[in-house]
Amino acid sequence: EVQLVESGGGLVQPGGSLRLSCVVSGFTFSNYEMNWVRQAPGKGLEWVSYIRRTGSYVYYTDSVKGRFTISRDSAKNSLFLQMDSLRAEDTAVYYCARDLDGSGRAFDIWGQGTMVTVSS
Amino acid sequence: QSVLTQPPSVSAAPGQKVTISCSGSSSNIGAGYVSWYQQLPGTVPKLLIYEDDKRPSGIPDRFSGSKSGTSATLGITGLQTGDEADYYCGTWDSSLSAAVFGGGTQLTVL
Repeated sequence: EVQLVESGGGLVQPGGSLRLSCVVSGFTFSNYEMNWVRQAPGKGLEWVSYIRRTGSYVYYTDSVKGRFTISRDSAKNSLFLQMDSLRAEDTAVYYCARDLDGSGRAFDIWGQGTMVTVSS
Repeated sequence: QSVLTQPPSVSAAPGQKVTISCSGSSSNIGAGYVSWYQQLPGTVPKLLIYEDDKRPSGIPDRFSGSKSGTSATLGITGLQTGDEADYYCGTWDSSLSAAVFGGGTQLTVL
């Protein structure tokens, strides 16, 4: 069964850091580009970041550039999101999502999400 | 403010048809494929349509997608109460070098 399982969310103070993980199973992780997508409470979907299968290219939404870092470890079948200098507006459920064809235009498999709350 | 524009809500009666529009620009919808997602209340988004009009396995043919120029449309026929959900369009924006979503459309089946 194809599966993505996120972890690492929690409550953090403004300015703090968190590292999210996404462990994948049921497919060859190294063959796929991956993404992080977030959803603030009661709001719509917001794409956060993309990483090529080799890790050679990464992209970020403007609001997280310089604060978040996406990475991956094929040996561990894992995707990561290092989040620094967190702000209240980063509060959201964070999903990892598999990229259907590497174009960033369709995400075919989603994890269950991990909640990040930034508050003092 | 989302890069892709969707109506906030649509509604129709059971058994009827509804369409949801998604408007963009030459750097996103006009430059490549569009996808659509369904998010039932309290659940994870699910891919409904990819490459403008293709359905993943398991998605019924009541769901269809189309695109013309810089706009895309999701169609749902034979509406069921179980179709009540939020629907999002998405694609890649070549000017932003970023994936983008519409703001979402809440479907109510009256």
